[in-house]
Amino acid sequence: DGGITQSPKYLFRKEGQNVTLSCEQNLNHDAMYWYRQDPGQGLRLIYYSQIVNDFQKGDIAEGYSVSREKKESFPLTVTSAQKNPTAFYLCASSMIAGNTGELFFGEGSRLTVL
Amino acid sequence: AQSVTQLGSHVSVSEGALVLLRCNYSSSVPPYLFWYVQYPNQGLQLLLKYTSAATLVKGINGFEAEFKKSETSFHLTKPSAHMSDAAEYFCAVSQVHLTGGGNKLTFGTGTQLKVEL
Repeated sequence: DGGITQSPKYLFRKEGQNVTLSCEQNLNHDAMYWYRQDPGQGLRLIYYSQIVNDFQKGDIAEGYSVSREKKESFPLTVTSAQKNPTAFYLCASSMIAGNTGELFFGEGSRLTVL
Repeated sequence: AQSVTQLGSHVSVSEGALVLLRCNYSSSVPPYLFWYVQYPNQGLQLLLKYTSAATLVKGINGFEAEFKKSETSFHLTKPSAHMSDAAEYFCAVSQVHLTGGGNKLTFGTGTQLKVEL
């Protein structure tokens, strides 16, 4: 089945450590996105990428980094510079051609900083 | 700029009662509008979308929404609530005209729906 796979589902990190969240899609979508979800705040865009080897900052990019070396993969690194990294992280993808705006989401990764 | 306002962070209904979740949007260009549902510790699943065709949009699980331009609203309804409808619901707006053809969805803060016996 086509879809988006995020791993790990749950992750614990000590303060000061970097951590990388994986996102892989087999939908052949060109665009990929990372959102952060906090209770009562909805989803906020961290980074997005519309093509391989290119990406743009979203609304809350500080303390995060991404790469897009392959069409299928868009990993997110939460760096030690992110002051409040405990959150639920969602990866999504979308078409470019014939796009009606719909995003397809993975199951999410919950990061807890101890 | 675009934004979404969901009125009511928590809504409680009885099983079998009408579900009404409110969403108002702000957009400088004709918008695409979406409702997503999220169950605990899961990703978001698309319920329905408005993309400038029919103003009354039908989605999955018996949900529908009506686009009202004059009221800048896109409220979600379901005639009869089921226990399985308990979840968090997000309204989102998109302007699908980014350079390169991608899109950024702006989400509301969500409405937690509780269904009681």
